[in-house]
Amino acid sequence: NAGVTQTPKFRVLKTGQSMTLLCAQDMNHEYMYWYRQDPGMGLRLIHYSVGEGTTAKGEVPDGYNVSRLKKQNFLLGLESAAPSQTSVYFCASRRDWGNEQFFGPGTRLTVL
Amino acid sequence: DQQVKQNSPSLSVQEGRISILNCDYTNSMFDYFLWYKKYPAEGPTFLISISSIKDKNEDGRFTVFLNKSAKHLSLHIVPSQPGDSAVYFCAADSGGGADGLTFGKGTHLIIQP
Repeated sequence: NAGVTQTPKFRVLKTGQSMTLLCAQDMNHEYMYWYRQDPGMGLRLIHYSVGEGTTAKGEVPDGYNVSRLKKQNFLLGLESAAPSQTSVYFCASRRDWGNEQFFGPGTRLTVL
Repeated sequence: DQQVKQNSPSLSVQEGRISILNCDYTNSMFDYFLWYKKYPAEGPTFLISISSIKDKNEDGRFTVFLNKSAKHLSLHIVPSQPGDSAVYFCAADSGGGADGLTFGKGTHLIIQP
């Protein structure tokens, strides 16, 4: 079991460029989440999904879009990157019972 | 407004002593609380949790205490070991938790030899 994996691990973008972060989980979990972590801050929820084909907004959704076309994958898109989106992005998944979320290793994104 | 607060950004404890990490919350709808541990350049890993119907949960060296009336929880680590040096996040959940966790800012625990 690889658990939750994230691709890429690091990325540098210029302002205005677009990119997609991929999250994959092999635990057959229903729920998936995208968080961002900024220095001195806790994790903040960007978007989440409670099942294949569903998505919903979290606390800080502006500037991001997501898709969950397959149960095991959750994609986070930045259409036009801004320096304020420089952050570490974590994906997580959860069973449909219980409260524990399992996190991936993170993607460090820098927008210049 | 922060709904989950960890007011100590860092804490230094001698090896072998007890580490106590604190967390306060404001939202009465929170009914489940979790502690995560995070090493640099890694994702958070689950440590221990507690339901709001309990006031204590223990797992080996880790114990979490919940005081609902004070909206306060604490994580006790005893004895503290060098490998416990990490950032600890308190997180809260409500109503089954499908819509994500609310995290505190974290406390950096440093275990001194």
